[in-house]
Amino acid sequence: AQTVTQSQPEMSVQEAETVTLSCTYDTSESNYYLFWYKQPPSRQMILVIRQEAYKQQNATENRFSVNFQKAAKSFSLKISDSQLGDTAMYFCAFMPRPFFGTGTSLTVIP
Amino acid sequence: EAGVAQSPRYKIIEKRQSVAFWCNPISGHATLYWYQQILGQGPKLLIQFQNNGVVDDSQLPKDRFSAERLKGVDSTLKIQPAKLEDSAVYLCASSPLLFSGEQFFGPGTRLTVL
Repeated sequence: AQTVTQSQPEMSVQEAETVTLSCTYDTSESNYYLFWYKQPPSRQMILVIRQEAYKQQNATENRFSVNFQKAAKSFSLKISDSQLGDTAMYFCAFMPRPFFGTGTSLTVIP
Repeated sequence: EAGVAQSPRYKIIEKRQSVAFWCNPISGHATLYWYQQILGQGPKLLIQFQNNGVVDDSQLPKDRFSAERLKGVDSTLKIQPAKLEDSAVYLCASSPLLFSGEQFFGPGTRLTVL
């Protein structure tokens, strides 16, 4: 069975600053995928970024990037130049068998 | 492209009553998921379909929950009878890929059991 742990229930960051959200996981799978999803207040969950475990290169999507440390089973999300619209719950998730962490509530302060 | 549709958006029922939720995935997405999201927690997978077949229902409380996906498109999730602890948001998601793809989520149905 896999686990996904997000140890930061709440975080805040000043607008335009950089913030890193942590995620660790445990699995016996050799092929798997990791995701960060964003759930804004009262809005639908959307994908932020996706990482294939077999790729060594860290995924990036504009202001969002990950630090994937396979041996340490760590998958952190870095948000650069934080914007007010980044305020949301962020969930780390694992596939192939879908499993989500408990989430980190991020608030961007003007 | 239309997103994942869910209805109703809100439902309030008494315990021991029954309730049904409906989901229409993105056209062409063969994989469909139902999740339960209790306040303050991450989504928990209830059941996963590939077309009209069940891939994983190991966490579905089968004594009270049932789900179907007739014709491999729309899906319904039913709870009968409901308990207080079933109060949660029920999320439907779809994906074009079975095990590795991005999931596209619907707006969810917020269920309150009194």
